[in-house]
Amino acid sequence: NAGVTQTPKFRVLKTGQSMTLLCAQDMNHEYMYWYRQDPGMGLRLIHYSVGEGTTAKGEVPDGYNVSRLKKQNFLLGLESAAPSQTSVYFCASSSFNQPQHFGDGTRLSIL
Amino acid sequence: AQSVTQLDSQVPVFEEAPVELRCNYSSSVSVYLFWYVQYPNQGLQLLLKYLSGSTLVKGINGFEAEFNKSQTSFHLRKPSVHISDTAEYFCAVSLKGGYNKLIFGAGTRLAVHP
Repeated sequence: NAGVTQTPKFRVLKTGQSMTLLCAQDMNHEYMYWYRQDPGMGLRLIHYSVGEGTTAKGEVPDGYNVSRLKKQNFLLGLESAAPSQTSVYFCASSSFNQPQHFGDGTRLSIL
Repeated sequence: AQSVTQLDSQVPVFEEAPVELRCNYSSSVSVYLFWYVQYPNQGLQLLLKYLSGSTLVKGINGFEAEFNKSQTSFHLRKPSVHISDTAEYFCAVSLKGGYNKLIFGAGTRLAVHP
């Protein structure tokens, strides 16, 4: 079982560039999430989705946009990358009242 | 608002010794509680969860945790650690009925030495 798959695994961007991170899950989960992990801060929720076509802001949404056009995919976009967005990004999915399953992460560096 | 505090950022321990990783939370409403483990360059893996019922919860790899409502704590324990337990451990809470959104602590790095 693939579970939650994130692409790409690594990326280096220049300040001002844009990119999209892709998350795909094959467990038919309703809920999907994007987190960022920074040293000493644990994981913080950026955006989440409770179903196809719906998205909502999390704790740190500024500078990011998301879309969930298909139930199995959740895209995270950076329109104009900034050095403060250098981080490890994790996608997760879950169903009602069940624990989240996490992908292996995307390491993003903004120069 | 909810918050999670992991009281130790790093815990060094010798192999086969017992270990306790401490977690306290703050919430005005009922929450679910979780411990996740992260091995180097990997995602997070669920160790155990408390949803309701018995306050002593057993998880994978010989770990267990006890929910203490009066002290708002959910400490993780293992009676005898192995080198392979070296990893970062995260305590997290989610609100009941809150779409399973997780609020994480800052993490505790467990280093097991031979």
